[in-house]
Amino acid sequence: GENVEQHPSTLSVQEGDSAVIKCTYSDSASNYFPWYKQELGKRPQLIIDIRSNVGEKKDQRIAVTLNKTAKHFSLHITETQPEDSAVYFCAATDSWGKLQFGAGTQVVVTP
Amino acid sequence: GAGVSQSPSNKVTEKGKDVELRCDPISGHTALYWYRQSLGQGLEFLIYFQGNSAPDKSGLPSDRFSAERTGGSVSTLTIQRTQQEDSAVYLCASGVDEQYFGPGTRLTVT
Repeated sequence: GENVEQHPSTLSVQEGDSAVIKCTYSDSASNYFPWYKQELGKRPQLIIDIRSNVGEKKDQRIAVTLNKTAKHFSLHITETQPEDSAVYFCAATDSWGKLQFGAGTQVVVTP
Repeated sequence: GAGVSQSPSNKVTEKGKDVELRCDPISGHTALYWYRQSLGQGLEFLIYFQGNSAPDKSGLPSDRFSAERTGGSVSTLTIQRTQQEDSAVYLCASGVDEQYFGPGTRLTVT
């Protein structure tokens, strides 16, 4: 089955700097890669996703890149703000369409 | 439109009792997942329903846990003979490709 690994587990950045979270996956049939943001005490919220026919996708300060050959994808947050502090989860669908999540990255943005 | 809803939002139960948690997915969503999340931890997969296919139960931690999805819509997660280690937030998600999470049920076993 699909195995998704996520790094780092914690990330501390200064406000205004960029943050990058990386994920790798094992199933070459995976074709959908969403990212979720979970603020303390809240449910995970879908913030951006990418499909296997696209290499990069951007939405304001967040972007996701996908390298199918290397089986890895990354989330990039530019000009970080305190409200970006949260846990971020990557995920990938396996060949059955089931989402497999990474372990999460705790991002702390310090003023 | 209405999102994924879950009930109850909070449940406190005594050790050994059975509990039922309910998930109302978004209408038309073929996929439905249950996850468990302990404080400060990740999303632990429990069970996955996809259309009329047999559910993927590979994440259920023991035979005390079961789930059903009636008519391809509402789902119920049942935990029998609850233990203290079952205390967690139980999250439901539904979707087609994109998955949307419900607000969760916080279960406390005393």
